[in-house]
Amino acid sequence: GNSVTQMEGPVTLSEEAFLTINCTYTATGYPSLFWYVQYPGEGLQLLLKATKADDKGSNKGFEATYRKETTSFHLEKGSVQVSDSAVYFCALKGTGRRALTFGSGTRLQVQP
Amino acid sequence: GAVVSQHPSRVICKSGTSVKIECRSLDFQATTMFWYRQFPKQSLMLMATSNEGSKATYEQGVEKDKFLINHASLTLSTLTVTSAHPEDSSFYICSARFANSDRDTNYGYTFGSGTRLTVV
Repeated sequence: GNSVTQMEGPVTLSEEAFLTINCTYTATGYPSLFWYVQYPGEGLQLLLKATKADDKGSNKGFEATYRKETTSFHLEKGSVQVSDSAVYFCALKGTGRRALTFGSGTRLQVQP
Repeated sequence: GAVVSQHPSRVICKSGTSVKIECRSLDFQATTMFWYRQFPKQSLMLMATSNEGSKATYEQGVEKDKFLINHASLTLSTLTVTSAHPEDSSFYICSARFANSDRDTNYGYTFGSGTRLTVV
């Protein structure tokens, strides 16, 4: 079946530090890949997505590249802000499956 | 566009009672909605897929008689937790699939803001 593995958190960074959150996946066929962000007490918001190999999703300074050869979709940001503190979920939509499969989430804490 | 409204945001109920959670699509028709459960510091676990006008499809291990899902219209899906117990306390999130204008994907997903259920 489909699965998503994320690095465990929490990740604690100082403001303006570089961020990487690792995500790898297992899926048959050609899944679409997503990063969602969840702020405290809220639902999930789509951060970025990529639908085929070598695609790069980007939004609000965050980037992730769909790497089929390493089955990875790592999230990066060059300079984090306190307002980026949230839980980040990597997810995939597999072929023939309507629902998304989520990773365990990674909590990011950015300190001023 | 593609906004989903979920209510209530928080609910506290007594053990043995039932609680209904509503999820409405505000500006689109949602033929398919998904119900997830999120345990503290853990990921979202898919409970069931709700299809307008037909029975929900439950994931393995989810009690369909305990978690009743109704999707009677294209804009409303409800999850009723029956005879709630403290172990049902969790964060429940609905999600709807919508037609996407993005040519890369046919569908997008939007999420409700979640319902924090506490059973005492």
